[in-house]
Amino acid sequence: NAGVTQTPKFRILKIGQSMTLQCTQDMNHNYMYWYRQDPGMGLKLIYYSVGAGITDKGEVPNGYNVSRSTTEDFPLRLELAAPSQTSVYFCASSSQGEAFFGQGTRLTVV
Amino acid sequence: GESVGLHLPTLSVQEGDNSIINCAYSNSASDYFIWYKQESGKGPQFIIDIRSNMDKRQGQRVTVLLNKTVKHLSLQIAATQPGDSAVYFCAESENTGFQKLVFGTGTRLLVSP
Repeated sequence: NAGVTQTPKFRILKIGQSMTLQCTQDMNHNYMYWYRQDPGMGLKLIYYSVGAGITDKGEVPNGYNVSRSTTEDFPLRLELAAPSQTSVYFCASSSQGEAFFGQGTRLTVV
Repeated sequence: GESVGLHLPTLSVQEGDNSIINCAYSNSASDYFIWYKQESGKGPQFIIDIRSNMDKRQGQRVTVLLNKTVKHLSLQIAATQPGDSAVYFCAESENTGFQKLVFGTGTRLLVSP
């Protein structure tokens, strides 16, 4: 059982470039989330989804977009990368009870 | 907005000691509280949770205490081991299913042999 899988693990982007962070879960969870974690800080919610086709903004959505075409996948899109988006990104999923987190994507924007 | 915070950024203990990590929360509508352990380079790992209708919950070597009167949460780790060294986060949510988790900034636990 793989749980929550994120790709890539590391990425360096130049300012203005775009990329998609991939997230997939195999637990048939309805709820999925994207968080970012800045150094020495807790996680902050970027976007979330309560099911396929339904997404909504979290605490820090600016500069990001998401889609949820299937239950399993919840990609996060950065359209115009900025240095402020340098962070570690975590995808998570839940059903009832604990949320399961992926291993994270470390993104650096230079 | 509502937030969850921690009192101690770093806690250093000796192996075998009991550790207590504290957390304050401010959202009175929070119904579900979770402690996560995060090791370097990894995602948060669930440790233990508690619903707002409980005051205490025990797991293996860990106990979570909830004081709703003062909006305080604590994690107790018994017989702390070097493998317990990590950053610990408390998080709160208004739901147990759909969880818009609000995280604190974390406490680093350092366990010396």
